Amino acid sequence: DQQVKQNSPSLSVQEGRISILNCDYTNSMFDYFLWYKKYPAEGPTFLISISSIKDKNEDGRFTVFLNKSAKHLSLHIVPSQPGDSAVYFCAASGNNAGNMLTFGGGTRLMVKP
Amino acid sequence: KAGVTQTPRYLIKTRGQQVTLSCSPISGHRSVSWYQQTPGQGLQFLFEYFSETQRNKGNFPGRFSGRQFSNSRSEMNVSTLELGDSALYLCASSPDGWTNTEAFFGQGTRLTVV
Repeated sequence: DQQVKQNSPSLSVQEGRISILNCDYTNSMFDYFLWYKKYPAEGPTFLISISSIKDKNEDGRFTVFLNKSAKHLSLHIVPSQPGDSAVYFCAASGNNAGNMLTFGGGTRLMVKP
Repeated sequence: KAGVTQTPRYLIKTRGQQVTLSCSPISGHRSVSWYQQTPGQGLQFLFEYFSETQRNKGNFPGRFSGRQFSNSRSEMNVSTLELGDSALYLCASSPDGWTNTEAFFGQGTRLTVV
């Protein structure tokens, strides 16, 4: 039973345009959400996070939106750059669960010059 | 500040052997978690250690075990290796265990079982 799902395995975007990566979750106990970027054979790199008490968090070119009623979050990258090409994972954790993260399956983003 | 350090980076073992992987967290971080990444199953949580105690455990067989030392360094051990244990093993450290915070990952250990 996948509690965190990223339904798009891949996404291709033109340089300079917006990239929107989506993530859905089923466990209503999740209250903290994170996005990671990963290159092959390397560990995930933290990008941005959001607490369930917020619906938006912004950091430079990256913005995460959370819709609790729909159990949906999205990562917006504006403007997209070729260096953003990587696999993006969303992850979730629940209160009192320590630092146990449940990951989605990932979305491969390709930004074309 | 040094990041999370995992050793070794690459490892080749034979079926039936055992293996020990090491992780040094970011200085001051007390929580260490381990994850397994495979093409078929994605990133899956193995276990978390905080203050030398296992606090959370994922759905893996007992062949997978770990420990944490007083300096927060952690090791994970896999006994009686199977071909399906071939994966990228990732360690993540976090400052503490009582608030939601981001986890910082090491580069991983690529384990190949032949």
